[in-house]
Amino acid sequence: DAGVTQSPTHLIKTRGQQVTLRCSPISGHKSVSWYQQVLGQGPQFIFQYYEKEERGRGNFPDRFSARQFPNYSSELNVNALLLGDSALYLCASSLSKTEAFFGQGTRLTVV
Amino acid sequence: TQLLEQSPQFLSIQEGENLTVYCNSSSVFSSLQWYRQEPGEGPVLLVTVVTGGEVKKLKRLTFQFGDARKDSSLHITAAQPGDTGLYLCAGAISNYKLTFGKGTLLTVNP
Repeated sequence: DAGVTQSPTHLIKTRGQQVTLRCSPISGHKSVSWYQQVLGQGPQFIFQYYEKEERGRGNFPDRFSARQFPNYSSELNVNALLLGDSALYLCASSLSKTEAFFGQGTRLTVV
Repeated sequence: TQLLEQSPQFLSIQEGENLTVYCNSSSVFSSLQWYRQEPGEGPVLLVTVVTGGEVKKLKRLTFQFGDARKDSSLHITAAQPGDTGLYLCAGAISNYKLTFGKGTLLTVNP
């Protein structure tokens, strides 16, 4: 069975640009969460979506947005990129309330 | 403010040694997960503990959840080079989000 898949795996963007990251959850999982992990830190919660509705949002600016589609896949959008947005962006899918299974991540570099 | 404190931050040991890493908080968690992450990869779930005082074993790894559900430990017996990685604990307070510690970077030398 396929796990959580994310695309692209690596991305380089320029300051001020916009980026869209994609995630396909494990089959049967209806919940998708997004986390940001900067070097030397643990992942930080950005969003969770369940059945296409936002259930929770972390302490991130409005430049970050997300959505979930009818097939439960999800996109994370970041506008007006800053150098500090450089990080590993992780998508996780869940069947139970909190147990999360992560994808391999998208490494975003902002130059 | 980091809700979960992990210690030690770095650990370098020889193959065959035992080790324990700790995850502490002032908050009570409904559940706590341990993950292992390799460079450039996503975290891989090792175990979930739910009940205070719970002990779970996964081969050479032993996980314990504190009685008050505020802390946890991971003990590895006879460490092997394949155990090298970043060990992360994550606590669930609400139904929808995990709060992670900064992790313990373990290096097991042959």
